[in-house]
Amino acid sequence: SQQGEEDPQALSIQEGENATMNCSYKTSINNLQWYRQNSGRGLVHLILIRSNEREKHSGRLRVTLDTSKKSSSLLITASRAADTASYFCAISSAGGTSYGKLTFGQGTILTVHP
Amino acid sequence: KAGVTQTPRYLIKTRGQQVTLSCSPISGHRSVSWYQQTPGQGLQFLFEYFSETQRNKGNFPGRFSGRQFSNSRSEMNVSTLELGDSALYLCASTVSGEKLFFGSGTQLSVL
Repeated sequence: SQQGEEDPQALSIQEGENATMNCSYKTSINNLQWYRQNSGRGLVHLILIRSNEREKHSGRLRVTLDTSKKSSSLLITASRAADTASYFCAISSAGGTSYGKLTFGQGTILTVHP
Repeated sequence: KAGVTQTPRYLIKTRGQQVTLSCSPISGHRSVSWYQQTPGQGLQFLFEYFSETQRNKGNFPGRFSGRQFSNSRSEMNVSTLELGDSALYLCASTVSGEKLFFGSGTQLSVL
């Protein structure tokens, strides 16, 4: 089962609008990452936020993390048609041997209309 | 630097056969992980290798196995294929142990 729960499952917006995706998880984390996937291809790393961080920015991306609520959000500002893709949150769990293991959410399908 | 390379890109097999998938990580990356992606179960971790040793394993049956060679290239093998093994198999490499770099995947169809 997936530890990360994402919502919405699908999001449809117009170019220029902002897109917000949310992720909730159940256990303690080392970090939380967001990945993007285009049409069944490989995933591309977007941004990583550590458990002791609350907010991070990268270009048009803004990620927040609330460890007390075990939730994160990804904001894409001024969306473009090229942002159309599936977006996944991925959790690196705290403690133990988590080498190479990320637990992914089910993803949000974002469609940006020109 | 070249990215993570997975071969083949597409594969069609029949039930009961076995299959071997290959992954060449980014140069200098010694950790290679494998994931299975299906519409129903999403992305699930299979296993991770570092310096030819399996360090971590997901909850998959023993039919799923892997190995890593001294040049960090990795292979995964699925024996006695079942219809439910149809999936996109993704390989990822990392140097930091955090950010993963994924290949384009091998789409396996079991008929």
